[in-house]
Amino acid sequence: EAQVTQNPRYLITVTGKKLTVTCSQNMNHEYMSWYRQDPGLGLRQIYYSMNVEVTDKGDVPEGYKVSRKEKRNFPLILESPSPNQTSLYFCASGGNQPQHFGDGTRLSIL
Amino acid sequence: RKEVEQDPGPFNVPEGATVAFNCTYSNSASQSFFWYRQDCRKEPKLLMSVYSSGNEDGRFTAQLNRASQYISLLIRDSKLSDSATYLCVVGPGYQKVTFGIGTKLQVIP
Repeated sequence: EAQVTQNPRYLITVTGKKLTVTCSQNMNHEYMSWYRQDPGLGLRQIYYSMNVEVTDKGDVPEGYKVSRKEKRNFPLILESPSPNQTSLYFCASGGNQPQHFGDGTRLSIL
Repeated sequence: RKEVEQDPGPFNVPEGATVAFNCTYSNSASQSFFWYRQDCRKEPKLLMSVYSSGNEDGRFTAQLNRASQYISLLIRDSKLSDSATYLCVVGPGYQKVTFGIGTKLQVIP
């Protein structure tokens, strides 16, 4: 079954404690991206990647890092999370656009 | 002006009605246009791409008006299962796209 898997689905943590949200796809897609969704603001792109070792900033990259060492994985790293990063996060993959989304990760930073 | 603008609604329509949403975009160089559907607290799902000549998929029709810089989505014979938020997505290319805040549709029995 074609899918994009994010982990964890839910996380409550504290300011400053480094965390990683993993994203994995089994469709051999070249394109992967991360979004955050906040009420009244819609989905905003954080980072995207067109292929292994190729990543680019989206509209709201500050406070986030990503890596693309393997085609299937695209983890999102928050080195020093802050409360304004509390949000619903989605990972997506596709041939060349965000075609399939993961189930989402709800992060709460206290 | 926002890059992509949508009326957030909600649009409440009776079952069987025809409903249309518009979405305006500010970047005249935009080349990629999509409609997504998002159910409450779920992941967005690609509904359809929007092509210059317009395209149809069953009860759904999408159109692009480059001169006025908007795309539209028409849903005919609305079903209860069409209740969702419809997201307009626009980008200069396929990779770096901008989502609208979405238009909420509620189909009423």
